[in-house]
Amino acid sequence: QVQLQESGPGLLKPSETLSLTCTVSGGSMSSYFWNWIRQPPGKGLEWIGYIYFNGNTNYNPSLKSRVTMSVDTSQNQFSLRLSSVTAADTAVYYCARGYGPGFGHWGQGTLVTVSS
Amino acid sequence: DIQMTQSPSSLSASVGDRVTITCRASQSISSYLNWYQQKPGKAPKLLIYAASSLQSGVPSRFSGSGSGTDFTLTISSLQPEDFATYYCQQSYSTPVTFGQGTRLEIK
Repeated sequence: QVQLQESGPGLLKPSETLSLTCTVSGGSMSSYFWNWIRQPPGKGLEWIGYIYFNGNTNYNPSLKSRVTMSVDTSQNQFSLRLSSVTAADTAVYYCARGYGPGFGHWGQGTLVTVSS
Repeated sequence: DIQMTQSPSSLSASVGDRVTITCRASQSISSYLNWYQQKPGKAPKLLIYAASSLQSGVPSRFSGSGSGTDFTLTISSLQPEDFATYYCQQSYSTPVTFGQGTRLEIK
């Protein structure tokens, strides 16, 4: 059974760069889309973007100027970097596998708080 | 971006009730519509994909229908574990977008 696990700092200051890693276990990363999705406290879900196993990316235009995703299939990991964070970036960040037929596998989520 | 609008935003129902949640897309998305259930403090769980296909392991009391712009999620007989927030999501085009959620509460 595929499992995903997010890791990274939980507290950032404004203007810093958010860096998260998602480790995939129980399956190969090949031929799948790997996504980042976030959810501000008490609010809905926002798709940040995906990276395909071959490195191709697709980012949400609302965040595109600040987002970079990378993948390391040898380590079964993919990563998110979000630059110049503000309080509006405070959210639970999820990694998830999938695209067309939905996101069938999710990490447990990690809360990232931006505060001075 | 394709806007997804769910109705109602919240709903009170009793165990055993039949419940329907509606999702409307701002343009046609064919059948590229997925439904999720989210419980507090947990990641969303995929229930229905491609508008009407039941995800493996999901109870058959959940069903989905629709195509184009109008979609529904139906729970045929509510169970205690079904009280949660439900989201629709379109995968017709990027950026992927979600509805605002429907909170299903116990009456």
